[in-house]
Formats: sequence, structure tokens, C-alpha cells
Amino acid sequence: DGGITQSPKYLFRKEGQNVTLSCEQNLNHDAMYWYRQDPGQGLRLIYYSQIVNDFQKGDIAEGYSVSREKKESFPLTVTSAQKNPTAFYLCASSPGGRDTDTQYFGPGTRLTVL
Amino acid sequence: GNSVTQMEGPVTLSEEAFLTINCTYTATGYPSLFWYVQYPGEGLQLLLKATKADDKGSNKGFEATYRKETTSFHLEKGSVQVSDSAVYFCALSEFGTGNQFYFGTGTSLTVIP
Repeated sequence: DGGITQSPKYLFRKEGQNVTLSCEQNLNHDAMYWYRQDPGQGLRLIYYSQIVNDFQKGDIAEGYSVSREKKESFPLTVTSAQKNPTAFYLCASSPGGRDTDTQYFGPGTRLTVL
Repeated sequence: GNSVTQMEGPVTLSEEAFLTINCTYTATGYPSLFWYVQYPGEGLQLLLKATKADDKGSNKGFEATYRKETTSFHLEKGSVQVSDSAVYFCALSEFGTGNQFYFGTGTSLTVIP
């Protein structure tokens, strides 16, 4: 089955610890994205990558880091510098071109910092 | 800049009622417009899209028309079902921005039998 997988579905961490969220896609998409969703709010863009070994900051990149060493993988690290990391994190991918610019989403990871 | 405004929720309807969720946008160019649906605890699923003015997107009985003159993309369904209960997000994407998406805040819909 083609799609986007995120793991784990639920993640608990102690305050001050870094944590890495996994995102993998087998759709052969060029572009990948990370969003944060808080209750009652829309999605806010953290980082995005249009091509391997390249990525750009979104609106709320502070306290987060990413890498894009492989086309199919775009892990997100939530660092101890992120002041309020508890949220629902969504990964997405898109083919990259204008005519096929739909973003396809994974099932999400709910991070709770204790 | 780019932004999306959608009607505040929550919306509660009886089964078979008519649904409208308003969405208006601000964009500097000619965006593509989308409606996504999110069921509890899940990611977003594309519901429909429209890529140019006067296009109508439709799927599963839902439809929305891209109105450039009113900068709107309202979501409608003639007869809602209990299974339509979810959160609906309007979004836009503009070429040349790295395909960044701008999302509305979401509208929660509950359909009661």
C-alpha cells in the first residue's frame, strides 16, 4: 500500500528531553512537510523540504529541527528549546509540481511532555 | 499575504439537513483551494479541490465552487449523515511558495440522528 506512515502514534517524554518523530512515505513524492496542530486551531507549518538534502523553515520552526537525507524520510526532532511541545504533529507530502500540488497527510503523532 | 478564514464552529445538524461551511481567502496570486476532513485522532484527508476560478470540486456528495469575485470556497452538502461528523479545514496553496499550504482554523461538525 502506498502512503505516509508516522510513528509512534502516541509519544510521552519528560520535560527537557529531545524527541524524534518519524515520517516515511513510499509515494515517491519530492516534497514533505511537518505541521503542528493544537486544539481548536488550524495547522501551522514547522518545516518543509522540496528536495533531498534541502529544507526551509516554516512559521514556527523555533525549537525544532529536521533532516532530509533520503527522499522517503523526513524526521522531526523536538528539542528541549521548544517551550510548549505538547501537540498533535502531522507529516504530509506532495508530488511537488503545480498540477499535482495536493498534500497527503499521515495519521499523526500525539506528543505529550510530562 | 495569504490567509484563509472559515466559519466558527461547532456546527450541529440533524441527519439529512443541508450543510454550508463558509470559507474565504486572501491570496496574492491565483491559488488552488482545498477542503480537507479530519476524523477524531486521525490525519487530514483530502475531500475536494479546485485549481482555478469557477471550478467546482466535488466528492462524496460534498461540493465547493471557486469564486474569484468573492474570494470564497464554501463547502456544501445537500443531506448530511452521522458519518460526516468530523472537523473540516479549508486551505489554499499558491505556486512559487514551495507549495506551502495555508489552513483555516477548522470547523467541527456533529450530525445527530
